[in-house]
Amino acid sequence: DGGITQSPKYLFRKEGQNVTLSCEQNLNHDAMYWYRQDPGQGLRLIYYSQIVNDFQKGDIAEGYSVSREKKESFPLTVTSAQKNPTAFYLCASSRAGNTIYFGEGSWLTVV
Amino acid sequence: DQQVKQNSPSLSVQEGRISILNCDYTNSMFDYFLWYKKYPAEGPTFLISISSIKDKNEDGRFTVFLNKSAKHLSLHIVPSQPGDSAVYFCAATDNNNDMRFGAGTRLTVKP
Repeated sequence: DGGITQSPKYLFRKEGQNVTLSCEQNLNHDAMYWYRQDPGQGLRLIYYSQIVNDFQKGDIAEGYSVSREKKESFPLTVTSAQKNPTAFYLCASSRAGNTIYFGEGSWLTVV
Repeated sequence: DQQVKQNSPSLSVQEGRISILNCDYTNSMFDYFLWYKKYPAEGPTFLISISSIKDKNEDGRFTVFLNKSAKHLSLHIVPSQPGDSAVYFCAATDNNNDMRFGAGTRLTVKP
């Protein structure tokens, strides 16, 4: 089945450690996105990529890094520089049209 | 700078009545608008969209209205059902595909 797969679903890390969230899609979509959702808040754009080997910062890119070496993959690294990393992270993808489709999300808790 | 705004964090309606969710945007470059529905701990799912060349799009019980001059769109659900209870996000994008979301409105449909 086609879709967007995020892993892991739940992740716990100690403060000061980098952590990488995986996002894979087999929809042949060109564009991929990372959003963050905090309790009671909307979805805020972290990074997006329209094509392989290219990505752009969103509204809250500080403390995060991404790569887009393959069309299917858009991993997000939450670095130790991110001051409030505990959140629900959503990966999404779209064709060069407009409707984007989301993965199931990853819960990151930093203790 | 929040480019997409949903000013009502919550809405409660009776089953069978109409639900109206509102959304305002500030970026006149947005040309495509979407509504997503989200259940707890899941990724948002696409509901309905509208292009800026239209002022209405209907899909079953869901209708989206766009007022470009007012930079306002709304989602109408009629009749509302208890299963419609969820958080609804309004989203907007321009041809750069960097989609922006509102903060969401939690809809509760009471039996």
